[in-house]
Amino acid sequence: NAGVTQTPKFQVLKTGQSMTLQCAQDMNHNSMYWYRQDPGMGLRLIYYSASEGTTDKGEVPNGYNVSRLNKREFSLRLESAAPSQTSVYFCATGGRGRNYEVEQYFGPGTRLTVT
Amino acid sequence: SQQGEEDPQALSIQEGENATMNCSYKTSINNLQWYRQNSGRGLVHLILIRSNEREKHSGRLRVTLDTSKKSSSLLITASRAADTASYFCATFYNDYKLSFGAGTTVTVRA
Repeated sequence: NAGVTQTPKFQVLKTGQSMTLQCAQDMNHNSMYWYRQDPGMGLRLIYYSASEGTTDKGEVPNGYNVSRLNKREFSLRLESAAPSQTSVYFCATGGRGRNYEVEQYFGPGTRLTVT
Repeated sequence: SQQGEEDPQALSIQEGENATMNCSYKTSINNLQWYRQNSGRGLVHLILIRSNEREKHSGRLRVTLDTSKKSSSLLITASRAADTASYFCATFYNDYKLSFGAGTTVTVRA
């Protein structure tokens, strides 16, 4: 089992370019998440998907779009990259549980630099 | 919004010593989780403590929860070099959305 995989691992973009970050999971989890991590800020939720076919905004959705292609895959798109989007991006899935007892499983991250 | 806040921001200890870090949060919770992040890696779930629990153990980890003070602590006993990492507390703030604090960076010196 690969768990949660992300591609690419590193990316450098120029301001205004677009790109899609890919995430796939083989854990058969319903919920999937995209976070960004900046120094001293912890993780901030960009978008999440509770199940296939649904997506919802998190704390910092501006400048991003997402697509839940199927149960396994959840992609994050930057339509017009800005230097403020320089960050490390993590995809995660939510395990099964009741009463919010859901632990999350994280991918290895994508380090994105926008110049 | 970020609901958890860890303290201290950074901690440096000698191998074999104990490391304690704290987390404060703002609103009532169902449970609180702790995660570890090694440098350059994704987060790994360590332990979950429910709101009706006061203390929980997992190996060398001990977590306490005081809902009256809206705070939790994570104790790592007999630290090892492999414990060098950042540690985050997390709570749910809406449905299945987790809110993470900024983390405590622990350095274990040989």
